[in-house]
Amino acid sequence: EAGVVQSPRYKIIEKKQPVAFWCNPISGHNTLYWYLQNLGQGPELLIRYENEEAVDDSQLPKDRFSAERLKGVDSTLKIQPAELGDSAVYLCASSIGTSGTGELFFGEGSRLTVL
Amino acid sequence: AQSVTQLDSQVPVFEEAPVELRCNYSSSVSVYLFWYVQYPNQGLQLLLKYLSGSTLVESINGFEAEFNKSQTSFHLRKPSVHISDTAEYFCAAYSGNTPLVFGKGTRLSVIA
Repeated sequence: EAGVVQSPRYKIIEKKQPVAFWCNPISGHNTLYWYLQNLGQGPELLIRYENEEAVDDSQLPKDRFSAERLKGVDSTLKIQPAELGDSAVYLCASSIGTSGTGELFFGEGSRLTVL
Repeated sequence: AQSVTQLDSQVPVFEEAPVELRCNYSSSVSVYLFWYVQYPNQGLQLLLKYLSGSTLVESINGFEAEFNKSQTSFHLRKPSVHISDTAEYFCAAYSGNTPLVFGKGTRLSVIA
């Protein structure tokens, strides 16, 4: 069974440019998460989807970040415009159901470098 | 709000020696605890978890962690480490309706 797939793995852009990350969760997983991982830090939740509904986006900087999961399957996270401080790894994860006690399955992450 | 503290950012240890990675959490109200591991160039994967029942939980590769409510700790231990255990280990906690909260991680380096 395929795991969580993310692309691109690496992205280098200049500041003020837009960037988008894509995530395809494990088939059948209705909950999808986007996490931000800064260097030397643990993952921090940006947004959580249950099917196509964003149920927790309180930590998403909405002035420049946006996300969508239109059909309740794959998802896109966009940053426009990117700033130097956005350099980090963007992790996608999925899980069965909505209980916080369930296991999260993570992708390999998308590493963003903003110059 | 829940918070997780991993006191050691890096732990070097010789092969076949024992290791303990420390984790403390802040809120004990209906808390569920997890250890995730991230091997080089791979995504995070669940190592073990405590939901209820026995306070001692084990992984398939010899790690164990004990839920200690009085000390609000969930330390990870292994009696004899291997080179292949070199990775970053993240402790995480979930309670109530708050999202899963991760610690900053501990980088375990096993030295031959």
